[in-house]
Amino acid sequence: KNQVEQSPQSLIILEGKNCTLQCNYTVSPFSNLRWYKQDTGRGPVSLTIMTFSENTKSNGRYTATLDADTKQSSLHITASQLSDSASYICVVSRNYGGSQGNLIFGKGTKLSVKP
Amino acid sequence: GAVVSQHPSWVICKSGTSVKIECRSLDFQATTMFWYRQFPKQSLMLMATSNEGSKATYEQGVEKDKFLINHASLTLSTLTVTSAHPEDSSFYICSATLAVPYEQYFGPGTRLTVT
Repeated sequence: KNQVEQSPQSLIILEGKNCTLQCNYTVSPFSNLRWYKQDTGRGPVSLTIMTFSENTKSNGRYTATLDADTKQSSLHITASQLSDSASYICVVSRNYGGSQGNLIFGKGTKLSVKP
Repeated sequence: GAVVSQHPSWVICKSGTSVKIECRSLDFQATTMFWYRQFPKQSLMLMATSNEGSKATYEQGVEKDKFLINHASLTLSTLTVTSAHPEDSSFYICSATLAVPYEQYFGPGTRLTVT
C-alpha cells in the first residue's frame, strides 16, 4: 500500500532552536519527494523537491535529506523563527510530474515555535 | 514563481444551495488542475483531476454529480458544490501543474461552511 508516514505528529520548540522532521514512505514506483509548508488556513507552499538521485537539498534555513534505500526523508530547520510555525507536509510522487493525481500526502507535522 | 489564486477565500452558505469556487493560474498556463479537500487536522485528499477541455477524473468515493468541475481554459477551473450539506464544510484547495519543471502549485484554499 502506498503510504507516507510523518513523525512527530506535533512539535513545540523555542525560537532559535533547530529541529528535524521525519518522513517514511512506502510508495512505488518512486518519482520524487517534496516537502511543503502549510500555514493555517492557507494552501501548501513548496520548500524542496528531490528526485531519486538527490540526497540533500537546501532552501534557506530548510534542508531536506533523502535516503532512497531506506525510503526515509527528513526536513531540518535551523535557527527557527516564529514564522516557521506551520504544518510541514511530506509528499511523494509516484510518477514524474505529479500528474494523474499520483501524489501521496503525509498527514503533516504541526510545528509550533514559541518565543 | 507561478501563482495560483482561488476565489472566494471563504464562503458561508445554507444547506441545499450551490457554491462555486474558482481556481486560476495567474501567470502560466496549467495543463492540469487538481481539486483537494482537507478536513481539520487531516491531510489533503485528492477529489478530482481536471484537464482543459475534457471531463474531470474523480477519485473513488467522490460524487461527480455533487462536485461539478469545469475546466474551460488553461488558466481557469471551477468547482461547484451542488446541494451543499453541513458535512461538505471543509477547506477546498486547488493546484495547477506547470509542464516544466513538473511542479505543482497550490492555491490559498477556500473555506466552505454550510449551515
